[in-house]
Amino acid sequence: DGGITQSPKYLFRKEGQNVTLSCEQNLNHDAMYWYRQDPGQGLRLIYYSQIVNDFQKGDIAEGYSVSREKKESFPLTVTSAQKNPTAFYLCASSMDRGPYNEQFFGPGTRLTVL
Amino acid sequence: QKEVEQDPGPLSVPEGAIVSLNCTYSNSAFQYFMWYRQYSRKGPELLMYTYSSGNKEDGRFTAQVDKSSKYISLFIRDSQPSDSATYLCAMYRSNTGKLIFGQGTTLQVKP
Repeated sequence: DGGITQSPKYLFRKEGQNVTLSCEQNLNHDAMYWYRQDPGQGLRLIYYSQIVNDFQKGDIAEGYSVSREKKESFPLTVTSAQKNPTAFYLCASSMDRGPYNEQFFGPGTRLTVL
Repeated sequence: QKEVEQDPGPLSVPEGAIVSLNCTYSNSAFQYFMWYRQYSRKGPELLMYTYSSGNKEDGRFTAQVDKSSKYISLFIRDSQPSDSATYLCAMYRSNTGKLIFGQGTTLQVKP
């Protein structure tokens, strides 16, 4: 089955720790994205990547970092610099970044800081 | 002021009702309009996609765009309990290449 997988589904972190969220896709898509979703708010773009070894900051990149070493993988690290990291994190991919290309979403990772 | 405004609800309707979900936007750079459906604790999935002003129908769903008023709507006819979800409008900002989402409206359809 083609799709996007995210792991883990639930993640708990102590304050001051860095954590890495996994995102893998087997859709052969060039573009990948990370969004954050908070209760009562829409999705906000953290980082995006149009191609391997290239990525750009989204609207709320502070306290986050990414890498894109392989086409299939786009991991997100939530660093200790992120002041309010508790949220639902969604990874998405699309064929490219044009408006005609549907973004397909993974099932999400819920991060809770203890 | 947010670029895209959507009433978060919640909206509760009886089964079989017609549901109207709406978003307004402020930026004329938005050119493409989408509706995503998100079930609880899941990722969003694309429901409808429109570009031009007017109506687009797909089964029980109709998407409406009024660019002159900067207003989009999603209508659900003969609503079913399985339609209970959060509905997110999204708009593609052509000058930045980014998809901007509304807050989402939570819908509950009661049997």
